[in-house]
Amino acid sequence: DAGVTQSPTHLIKTRGQHVTLRCSPISGHKSVSWYQQVLGQGPQFIFQYYEKEERGRGNFPDRFSARQFPNYSSELNVNALLLGDSALYLCASTLASGTVSYEQYFGPGTRLTVT
Amino acid sequence: EDQVTQSPEALRLQEGESSSLNCSYTVSGLRGLFWYRQDPGKGPEFLFTLYSAGEEKEKERLKATLTKKESFLHITAPKPEDSATYLCAVQAGQGAQKLVFGQGTRLTINP
Repeated sequence: DAGVTQSPTHLIKTRGQHVTLRCSPISGHKSVSWYQQVLGQGPQFIFQYYEKEERGRGNFPDRFSARQFPNYSSELNVNALLLGDSALYLCASTLASGTVSYEQYFGPGTRLTVT
Repeated sequence: EDQVTQSPEALRLQEGESSSLNCSYTVSGLRGLFWYRQDPGKGPEFLFTLYSAGEEKEKERLKATLTKKESFLHITAPKPEDSATYLCAVQAGQGAQKLVFGQGTRLTINP
């Protein structure tokens, strides 16, 4: 079975531009979360979506937004890119949401470089 | 605020030399503690989930344990292919499936 897929693999953008990253979860998983990982640090939570609704938001500015589609795939959008947005963006797939703790499976990530 | 601290930051071992990685956490209402392995430039690979103090899980040369304040990842007779960064994360409180990660331990196994 296919795991979590993300596209593109790598991306180079200029300051002030906009970027869209895409993620397809594991088949049967209905929840997608996005994380940002700066070099040398652990991933930081950006958003969680379940059944097309936002279920959680991390401490990121409004330049970051996301959405989930009826097929459970998701997009992360970042506007007005800053140099500090350069990072590995990870998508994690989870079976569901709620008070039960579900295992999260990560995709390979999208490496974003802002120049 | 939920916090996770991993130690050491980096660890270099000889092949076959067993050791342990530490993950200390401060959370309100732990729902689960997760261990991941991450190779350079790749996404984290799921290893274990622990839910309550006293729980242990094993996979090949790895064994994870959990107490009320910390978790250990024991590596027995490691091989060079075990070289990676090991990440610990917690999920706490109600609501979102949010993971709070530590900064990781970079493990190098020399042949």
